[in-house]
Amino acid sequence: DIQMTQSPSSLSASVGDRVTITCQASQDISNYLNWYQQKPGKAPKLLIYDASNLETGVPSRFSGSGSGTDFTFTISSLQPEDIATYYCQQYDNLPHTFGQGTKLEIK
Amino acid sequence: QVQLVESGGGLVKPGGSLRLSCAASGFTFSDYYMSWIRQAPGKGLEWVSYISSSGSTIYYADSVKGRFTISRDNAKNSLYLQMNSLRAEDTAVYYCARGANGGDYWGQGTLVTVSS
Repeated sequence: DIQMTQSPSSLSASVGDRVTITCQASQDISNYLNWYQQKPGKAPKLLIYDASNLETGVPSRFSGSGSGTDFTFTISSLQPEDIATYYCQQYDNLPHTFGQGTKLEIK
Repeated sequence: QVQLVESGGGLVKPGGSLRLSCAASGFTFSDYYMSWIRQAPGKGLEWVSYISSSGSTIYYADSVKGRFTISRDNAKNSLYLQMNSLRAEDTAVYYCARGANGGDYWGQGTLVTVSS
């Protein structure tokens, strides 16, 4: 199985900050990577697909980049409603494994 | 609008069975692969299974292979997950999602608790 390693596992930032989360795959997955946002008690929401494509309706402050084994998810200016846990997921190989999540909190 | 509504969760004893359902609406169900993904309490996400639009292609995570069966009824716009020989470690919220590569739409989830 492909292992997806996210860092950090938790993050505290202030409103307006630029926030970056990284995800590393244990082998080359090209650009077959999703980023999700999950708020407490809710289902995950797809934000980014194919590593860098913004899902329809998702604010432009969210972005993704990378290919191969190293990927980055960025919030350009943190808003209070962005408090959530974020997950990466590869879909290059089955099983479609997820990172362990990054819990984002407001400082 | 796209809606996915899971049902069928509940409390079951180890070794027991449950059948989850996912009712789809707002899109042409028969055009899409569908997936099940689960999340143990307080834990991360785990991909469980997916099924092709026609039902001819199916994959399972090793953790559920031989115990769980995914199926669909395109005439009823419904996805199913038959879960047999349930174990404590199957306790989770089970989500259905549209697509094979993760999911662009997810249901609200249904909780399965395996406990004596």
